[in-house]
Amino acid sequence: GEDVEQSLFLSVREGDSSVINCTYTDSSSTYLYWYKQEPGAGLQLLTYIFSNMDMKQDQRLTVLLNKKDKHLSLRIADTQTGDSAIYFCAEIKYVTDKLIFGTGTRLQVFP
Amino acid sequence: SAVISQKPSRDICQRGTSLTIQCQVDSQVTMMFWYRQQPGQSLTLIATANQGSEATYESGFVIDKFPISRPNLTFSTLTVSNMSPEDSSIYLCSVGDRAMQNSGNTIYFGEGSWLTVV
Repeated sequence: GEDVEQSLFLSVREGDSSVINCTYTDSSSTYLYWYKQEPGAGLQLLTYIFSNMDMKQDQRLTVLLNKKDKHLSLRIADTQTGDSAIYFCAEIKYVTDKLIFGTGTRLQVFP
Repeated sequence: SAVISQKPSRDICQRGTSLTIQCQVDSQVTMMFWYRQQPGQSLTLIATANQGSEATYESGFVIDKFPISRPNLTFSTLTVSNMSPEDSSIYLCSVGDRAMQNSGNTIYFGEGSWLTVV
């Protein structure tokens, strides 16, 4: 199957870390992505990881990939109210370059 | 990164009419895709826009309902035909380029076209 699953909601206090999880099914995926969608806006590419990597860090963002378990996570350090949005993970299908999106996680940051 | 412009950004359409959405990229790209995002939902791929040939549609989407053009490497259109309220969605153009593969084969999105059918 092509299901990419995410938990629907996450609520965190400002200043804490957020961890958004994603599971995917296609072991042939070459790249995995995290996109952010703010209310009324399109998709913003946050970061990506190549499938032969375990971890990637980019400022406040840390991506962890467990290829054996087909599990991807996005950690946001020092979460701010501006981080409130829907976060989508996506996997790219090898050769076709088609993105398959997860269900999206709505992150709410409260003071 | 590629800069993607979509028009219109928003529209309210009458039932039974058709609307064409344009996607313009600021550089030549090998891949262009059209996605739909229904209210409160994730993104679903409609089709891959192929330059100089017919688009490749995903299961559940057909050319008669969603005709697509791609006359060159920087431009594509998606038409939503004979619209009904169920077509109220965000339609997003995305682009990628295999030349970027070593830097992540990154796929970028336009801001989307928000269509409401009444």
